[in-house]
Amino acid sequence: KAGVTQTPRYLIKTRGQQVTLSCSPISGHRSVSWYQQTPGQGLQFLFEYFSETQRNKGNFPGRFSGRQFSNSRSEMNVSTLELGDSALYLCASSFGLPGNTIYFGEGSWLTVV
Amino acid sequence: DQQVKQNSPSLSVQEGRISILNCDYTNSMFDYFLWYKKYPAEGPTFLISISSIKDKNEDGRFTVFLNKSAKHLSLHIVPSQPGDSAVYFCAAGVLNFGNEKLTFGTGTRLTIIP
Repeated sequence: KAGVTQTPRYLIKTRGQQVTLSCSPISGHRSVSWYQQTPGQGLQFLFEYFSETQRNKGNFPGRFSGRQFSNSRSEMNVSTLELGDSALYLCASSFGLPGNTIYFGEGSWLTVV
Repeated sequence: DQQVKQNSPSLSVQEGRISILNCDYTNSMFDYFLWYKKYPAEGPTFLISISSIKDKNEDGRFTVFLNKSAKHLSLHIVPSQPGDSAVYFCAAGVLNFGNEKLTFGTGTRLTIIP
């Protein structure tokens, strides 16, 4: 069974640009979450979507946004990129019910220069 | 405010011995805890979980212990193997529908010495 797939794996952007990252969850999973990992900060929760609706949101500025499509695939967008946005962005999926295991993709490495 | 803390950034253990990784939490709402293992340039891999109705869960070489009164959990790996060398993250969540948010610790880098 295919795991969580994220594209692109690596990308370099310039300050002020915007970026869109894509995530395909495990087949049958309806919940998709996004996390940011930076050195020293661990994994920080961005937001979670379930059945095309944002169900949970972390403490990130409005420049970070996301959406989920009817096939459960999700995208996250970061506008007006800052140097501090350089990080590994991880997508995770689950069935979305209490206690379900959350599975992670391999992440998208974003470097802002 | 770090609600989930892993106070040891690194740990070295000899192959074949027991590895014990610790995690503390402050939010008493947390009732579901997970451990993930992460290799460089890869996403975290789920290892084992435990809900607050239990104080121990075992899966092969991995056992997680939960002490609710102390708000402390630990992961035991016995026996430790070289392939266990990785960063281990403790995560906590709430078992309510609509609460997929996990709060992670900052990780402990485990090195198994052959």
